[in-house]
Formats: sequence, structure tokens, C-alpha cells
Amino acid sequence: QSALTQPPSASGSPGQSVTISCTGTSSDVGGYNYVSWYQHHPGRAPKLLIYEAVKRPSGVPDRFSGSRSGNTASLTVSGLQAEDEADYYCSSYAGNSNPTYLFGTGTKVTVL
Amino acid sequence: EVQLVESGGGLVQPGGSLRLSCAASGFTFGSFGSYAVAWVRQAPGKGLEWVSSISASGGTSYYVASVKGRFTISRDNSKNTLFLQLNNLRADDTAIYYCAKGIDFWSGLYFDYWGRGALVTVSS
Repeated sequence: QSALTQPPSASGSPGQSVTISCTGTSSDVGGYNYVSWYQHHPGRAPKLLIYEAVKRPSGVPDRFSGSRSGNTASLTVSGLQAEDEADYYCSSYAGNSNPTYLFGTGTKVTVL
Repeated sequence: EVQLVESGGGLVQPGGSLRLSCAASGFTFGSFGSYAVAWVRQAPGKGLEWVSSISASGGTSYYVASVKGRFTISRDNSKNTLFLQLNNLRADDTAIYYCAKGIDFWSGLYFDYWGRGALVTVSS
């Protein structure tokens, strides 16, 4: 496959939560622990939010959390803030497959 | 903090060539030569697409099928610089090309620092 499947959009009011799914296969999301999530404000550098499916780099607020079950990973943004409005992408290592890394189709999060 | 700055983008005709560079700085844990680095692109209106990775030593490289044989990734660890040579460019190569630092020696696994990108436009 060429891309992991994400919903094209998600939205919530300030303070609410949104959850974004990322569906792959047993050859990528379900087969390796290297699922990551990135926040991308257009015109800026993408930012790592979650790595190894559930871990947060230092400096990333704990409002961002990740989980995985089988071939599907999820990103939850709790306590939505205006600055969370951005594009979000999941990614997975795919081993000896080509491509070696898959990105999700991307989800635009809108803060209402 | 690690900073990655891409350069070399521009307008090129179909079939033409371009060389992108990515200058890295600010390593406080390890050095540029300790990590794999990658190129990831974003076509207009599209999502992110991994293009290529190169191992920390530069001895092993990986490519997405659509660019294999046309693009070449390389690095100069003495100058903390990553390169991508783009040959035989096609219209569907038009994209912003991001440089990204991986966390392992071989191909990246995931990418903890990114640059702001360089725009490559392929058009006659």
C-alpha cells in the first residue's frame, strides 16, 4: 500500500477532545512498534508529537496522547487549543517493504 | 537544538536536474554522523511522502520506488550536510522537500527534527 488511512478532517471546540485514527496493515502499523505522529502547520517544519505509538518527546504537552490496537493507531488531542489547528500525519516503519516508511493521508484539525 | 535548513530548490523543466542540500547544526547529543537522515516531500494539496533515507555512515540508502534510479541521496558528515540529487525530473516530482533527522543508525525509524522545506517545481 502507498499510504496509511486517516480521516480527512476532525474538529472540536476549545477544551474538547478529538481523536484521529490511522489504519494500516500487519506489515506496517500492526507489525512494528515504530508508529509516529506529526503536527504540521503549513509553511513550518513538521513537529514530532508521538513516537513508538504512545511516547511523547520532551516538550510536547501531555494533551497529546497516542495508542495502538492491532493495525490501527490513534492520536488524541485533549483540551483543544486554538494553536492545535493544523494538519496531523501518522507514519509507520514498514521494514523491508517499499516504501520503507508510510505516512498517513493526513487529517486537518479545525478548532471551532 | 538541532536545526535543519534546506536549500537548492527552484523551477526546472521536465527532464532536468536539481541538487538539494540540507545543512544541519545544533547537535548536543551525538553528532550529525550518528544518525540516519531522510528526505520527505509534500506535493501541492497532498500529504507527506517519504522519498529516501541514508544511514549514518552513508553506506546504505533507501528509496521509494517512484524515484529509484532518478534520485540519489548522499551526505558529507564532515560538513554536517545532506544532499539529494534529482535527475530526469517529472511534473509529479513537484513538491516541498523536507529534510528530517532519524533516531537510529540505519534508516530513521521516526524523525525527531525537520527543516522547513525547499520547493521544487517541475514545469515547462
